[in-house]
Amino acid sequence: DGGITQSPKYLFRKEGQNVTLSCEQNLNHDAMYWYRQDPGQGLRLIYYSQIVNDFQKGDIAEGYSVSREKKESFPLTVTSAQKNPTAFYLCASSGLAGVETQYFGPGTRLLVL
Amino acid sequence: GNSVTQMEGPVTLSEEAFLTINCTYTATGYPSLFWYVQYPGEGLQLLLKATKADDKGSNKGFEATYRKETTSFHLEKGSVQVSDSAVYFCALNSPYTGANSKLTFGKGITLSVRP
Repeated sequence: DGGITQSPKYLFRKEGQNVTLSCEQNLNHDAMYWYRQDPGQGLRLIYYSQIVNDFQKGDIAEGYSVSREKKESFPLTVTSAQKNPTAFYLCASSGLAGVETQYFGPGTRLLVL
Repeated sequence: GNSVTQMEGPVTLSEEAFLTINCTYTATGYPSLFWYVQYPGEGLQLLLKATKADDKGSNKGFEATYRKETTSFHLEKGSVQVSDSAVYFCALNSPYTGANSKLTFGKGITLSVRP
């Protein structure tokens, strides 16, 4: 079955700690995305990548970092500089040919202890 | 810039009622339009899409027509079920220079259907 997996489902962060959220896809998609979802605010783009070893900032990149060493993987690190990290984080992927639908993973809920 | 505006929620309906969720957009060029659905605790699933003016997207009894003259993409269903209870997001994808594009989302609206 092709799809996108995210882990863990729930993640707890302590003050001053960096945490990394995993996103893997086996859809052979070139593009991958990270979104943050807060209640009543829809989805906001954090980072996206169109090709291995390249990525671009989205609308709310401050306090986050990413890497794209493999086509299948696009991990997101929430750094200690992100002062309000509690949110639901969604990873997505798509092809690059023309207008492509984005497919989403099941999400990771990050909570601060 | 691009933007998507959805009607304010939440919306509560009885089973078998008619559903309309309004969505209007502002975009440069000729965007593609999407409706995504999110069930509790899950990620988003594509519900339907339309890629050019006057196209109608449909899936699972839901329909939406791309109206360029009114810049709208309203979601409708003739008879809702309890299982349709979810959050619904309208989104647009406006291609720019290069191969790919970014989605712009509305704020989402929560639909609750009573038995």
